[in-house]
Amino acid sequence: AQTVTQSQPEMSVQEAETVTLSCTYDTSESNYYLFWYKQPPSRQMILVIRQEAYKQQNATENRFSVNFQKAAKSFSLKISDSQLGDTAMYFCAFMESAPYNQGGKLIFGQGTELSVKP
Amino acid sequence: GAVVSQHPSRVICKSGTSVKIECRSLDFQATTMFWYRQFPKQSLMLMATSNEGSKATYEQGVEKDKFLINHASLTLSTLTVTSAHPEDSSFYICSASGGWTSGGYNEQFFGPGTRLTVL
Repeated sequence: AQTVTQSQPEMSVQEAETVTLSCTYDTSESNYYLFWYKQPPSRQMILVIRQEAYKQQNATENRFSVNFQKAAKSFSLKISDSQLGDTAMYFCAFMESAPYNQGGKLIFGQGTELSVKP
Repeated sequence: GAVVSQHPSRVICKSGTSVKIECRSLDFQATTMFWYRQFPKQSLMLMATSNEGSKATYEQGVEKDKFLINHASLTLSTLTVTSAHPEDSSFYICSASGGWTSGGYNEQFFGPGTRLTVL
């Protein structure tokens, strides 16, 4: 069974600085997807960034980027120029490939609570 | 696009009663819907997966007779908590998937969640 581990329950960063959130996973699958989700105090889940396992290039979305190390099964999230609005719970998630009409199950890590301080 | 709504956003009920939570995909057809449970400061725990017109598939440890899931149409899934007790108090989140996106995977779109309090 796939597992996702986030070993940092809480982190804090000063506004405008850079922070990296760690995530490791375990799977025997070769085709899968990895995600970082943000859950602000409103508790609405927001997709931050995704990475396809078959792509060697690390995904980037504006201030958010990942360091995907497939052999090490590591998937960290780097937030540059941190903003107060980045304060939230961040979840790393794994999804194995699934048929078109059956949906893929998301397996979430424990979460990292990030506080951005002014 | 890809908006998922949940109703109600909050519900308080007495112990022993049943509560129904609705999850709707507003602008796409959801072939698969998922129901999660989340306790404070914890992760999302998948409860069940449902495909339209089929019986839901429950995760290990989730009581199917207590958490009834119906996915009657491509835009609506319901979760009914039967004979609710205080330990069922939690935050329930649904998500919906409408098939492969341009990325070649089944992106899940999340509802805003429902806070259930059982007195």
